[in-house]
Amino acid sequence: AQKITQTQPGMFVQEKEAVTLDCTYDTSDPSYGLFWYKQPSSGEMIFLIYQGSYDQQNATEGRYSLNFQKARKSANLVISASQLGDSAMYFCAMREDAASGGSYIPTFGRGTSLIVHP
Amino acid sequence: NAGVTQTPKFQVLKTGQSMTLQCAQDMNHEYMSWYRQDPGMGLRLIHYSVGAGITDQGEVPNGYNVSRSTTEDFPLRLLSAAPSQTSVYFCASSLLYGTGGTGELFFGEGSRLTVL
Repeated sequence: AQKITQTQPGMFVQEKEAVTLDCTYDTSDPSYGLFWYKQPSSGEMIFLIYQGSYDQQNATEGRYSLNFQKARKSANLVISASQLGDSAMYFCAMREDAASGGSYIPTFGRGTSLIVHP
Repeated sequence: NAGVTQTPKFQVLKTGQSMTLQCAQDMNHEYMSWYRQDPGMGLRLIHYSVGAGITDQGEVPNGYNVSRSTTEDFPLRLLSAAPSQTSVYFCASSLLYGTGGTGELFFGEGSRLTVL
């Protein structure tokens, strides 16, 4: 079974609007971390945002925020005020912590392709 | 800062040839890994290492070999290339969670490999 599920293969958003990219995860470890990475058409992988399982508040980094709903095991990425440069593949990933029995090896979802229309 | 340096960026091989993808990082990261990226499949882990002299298999290790003789270097060897190994390969490194980092991965620029 997949540990990270991204159910949206593709998403479209109008420039300047907000968009939510979905990510659900599966773990029995109490301690874990969640990440989002961006891959533009040029191919490099760019780290966007991190949320620890014990963090009380949702993580934010500029226009990026992570809507962390622990009970639902979801870690959706919200991009506010979309820009044309946000067009890219977005990957959700999870790290389960060795101290709590996890493998600490990051596991990735299959990604969501976001296209921002002018 | 060089970060993670991965070479070559492009390579074309014939079936049966061998080659090595080089990866070096200058951030003193304990964890290094190789992923392959195929359309619709996300990033799949090939091999990883948590320190010099320690390597382990990931999700798709068959046909690949790695070694970690130093903290900085983590080469990936294709022993006898097959068309199924046509892919984009990423090297990534990080501090292990609990040693000062979140486990955020730092990626090389990727290597596009075509096996004919």
